[in-house]
Parts: sequence; C-alpha cells; structure tokens
Amino acid sequence: GEDVEQSLFLSVREGDSSVINCTYTDSSSTYLYWYKQEPGAGLQLLTYIFSNMDMKQDQRLTVLLNKKDKHLSLRIADTQTGDSAIYFCAESNFGNEKLTFGTGTRLTIIP
Amino acid sequence: EAGVAQSPRYKIIEKRQSVAFWCNPISGHATLYWYQQILGQGPKLLIQFQNNGVVDDSQLPKDRFSAERLKGVDSTLKIQPAKLEDSAVYLCASSWGGASDNEQFFGPGTRLTVL
Repeated sequence: GEDVEQSLFLSVREGDSSVINCTYTDSSSTYLYWYKQEPGAGLQLLTYIFSNMDMKQDQRLTVLLNKKDKHLSLRIADTQTGDSAIYFCAESNFGNEKLTFGTGTRLTIIP
Repeated sequence: EAGVAQSPRYKIIEKRQSVAFWCNPISGHATLYWYQQILGQGPKLLIQFQNNGVVDDSQLPKDRFSAERLKGVDSTLKIQPAKLEDSAVYLCASSWGGASDNEQFFGPGTRLTVL
C-alpha cells in the first residue's frame, strides 16, 4: 500500500529558512499536499503540487518535487514564530480523493 | 463561509462504553470524510461518503465503529464498545467532490480519551 514518511522534528532559528522533507512510495500519486496543524486546530491546506510539476512557489512557500526519487520538500522562507506547527505531507491519486498522510514534522522556531 | 463543525470537542469515557461524534460539513460539499489521528501519527481515513453513500470504508473497524450520513449532510461516527487504543483525535473533513477539485477542509476534531 501507499506509504509516506517524514522526519519527526525540525528546529530552525527565526528568520532562517525551514526545509521539511517527505518521501512517498506510490508511483501513481497525482497530487502531493502540504498541510499545517496548529495545537488544538484542524488541518489547514498550505499548498499542493501536481505530479507533472517540479516546483511551485507561493509567497514564502516553495515546494520541490523529485518524481524520480519520490521526494517532496517544503521550504519556508524567513521562518516566523507563527510557523511553529506540525506539517504533514499527503498524497492522492487522480480520481480517488483519499489522502494518505505522513507522520508529520514538528517545526520549532528558536528565537 | 462557515467551516466544518464538529462536536463535542473533547470526550472522556471508560473502555467498553459507547460514544458518538457529530460533524456538519461545509454547505454544498458532497464528500465527507472521517479520519482517526492517533497521537504522534498522521490522520488515517476511516470512511468516505459521497452524498449519503459510502465510497470507502476499507479501514473502518466495522466490529465496533459505525458511521452514517443521513440525507447527505450531517454525519455521525459511533464507537461501541470503545477500547483503549481508540484514544485519538477524530477529524471530519469535507470537499466539493470530483477529481478536479478535491481540496479537503478539516474541522477542529474531537479528542477522545478512553480510560
């Protein structure tokens, strides 16, 4: 079955860039997503990328996709304290809305 | 636009008791999902509805979990009887449905503790 993996923790100094990595196993994945979860809140979709794209940029967020290696990354520029959260990578296939999530990466900002 | 509503936000029960969770999706959203998120893990899909029909319930433990979406709007998820390992956050999400726009909007979740 599908498997999505992430490292559990990342600490970054305020103002630096954060890079959160994700690997997946399903070669038929069509959409790849990044969700943010703050304490006591539901999941918020940050951005997504189609599998036929290599990169997507949205303000401070840059998503890179290496389809050959099945590797996805999320770069957050100029990381702020409000970026502290758990970030989940997820994938789905065209025509099937089911999301398969990774374990999440807890991002901690160091003042 | 109102978001996905869930209640209760927190629930504490003893093992072997029953519990029910309620979800009100975003108005007009045809697809509704229930996820289970165990502490330290990512959400896992339990069941997906398209209007009032079940699309995917392959990961729902049917011996103790049940869900319904009468009239294709609100949904309830029930656990009877609960086990210790059911302690988790239960997330409800909804989407318009259709392959071209499948962004899922999540509610705040119900945190269940089974003692």
